[in-house]
Amino acid sequence: EAQVTQNPRYLITVTGKKLTVTCSQNMNHEYMSWYRQDPGLGLRQIYYSMNVEVTDKGDVPEGYKVSRKEKRNFPLILESPSPNQTSLYFCASSFALTQYFGPGTRLTVL
Amino acid sequence: GEDVEQSLFLSVREGDSSVINCTYTDSSSTYLYWYKQEPGAGLQLLTYIFSNMDMKQDQRLTVLLNKKDKHLSLRIADTQTGDSAIYFCAESFDNTDKLIFGTGTRLQVFP
Repeated sequence: EAQVTQNPRYLITVTGKKLTVTCSQNMNHEYMSWYRQDPGLGLRQIYYSMNVEVTDKGDVPEGYKVSRKEKRNFPLILESPSPNQTSLYFCASSFALTQYFGPGTRLTVL
Repeated sequence: GEDVEQSLFLSVREGDSSVINCTYTDSSSTYLYWYKQEPGAGLQLLTYIFSNMDMKQDQRLTVLLNKKDKHLSLRIADTQTGDSAIYFCAESFDNTDKLIFGTGTRLQVFP
């Protein structure tokens, strides 16, 4: 089944403790991206990657890092999480202008 | 800059039609999309329309695009309780897969 998977689905952590949210797709898509969803703001793009080893900032990249060592994986790294990064995070991959979203990761930073 | 606006809430009776509206500022968009997000789930692509089209119909869904007014709408005919969700409009632009999302409209369907 074609899908985008994210792990973990839920995470509660404390300020400053590094964390990684994994994202994997099995559709051989070149383009992948991360979004965060906040009430009243919709989804905003954090980072995107057009192919392996090619990543670029989206609209709200501060406090986040990404890597794209393999086509299928696109992890999101928070080196020192802060409470304002409490949000719902979505990974997506796309082909022919159609985006496929993962199920989301709800992150709470205390 | 890009800005996509939606009203936050819409409440309709089961069996009625729902119309969810979206306005955008950047007229250079290539495609406009409607996504549905059910509670606790990711985003599901419902339909999309190419920017040079005025209307697209897909079963109970009708998308209307008014490029002059930069207004996009989604009409759901015979709305059911299973249609209760948050609906996002989004736009994309030439040569990029990036999506600019609206703020989302929460549709509540009551019996």
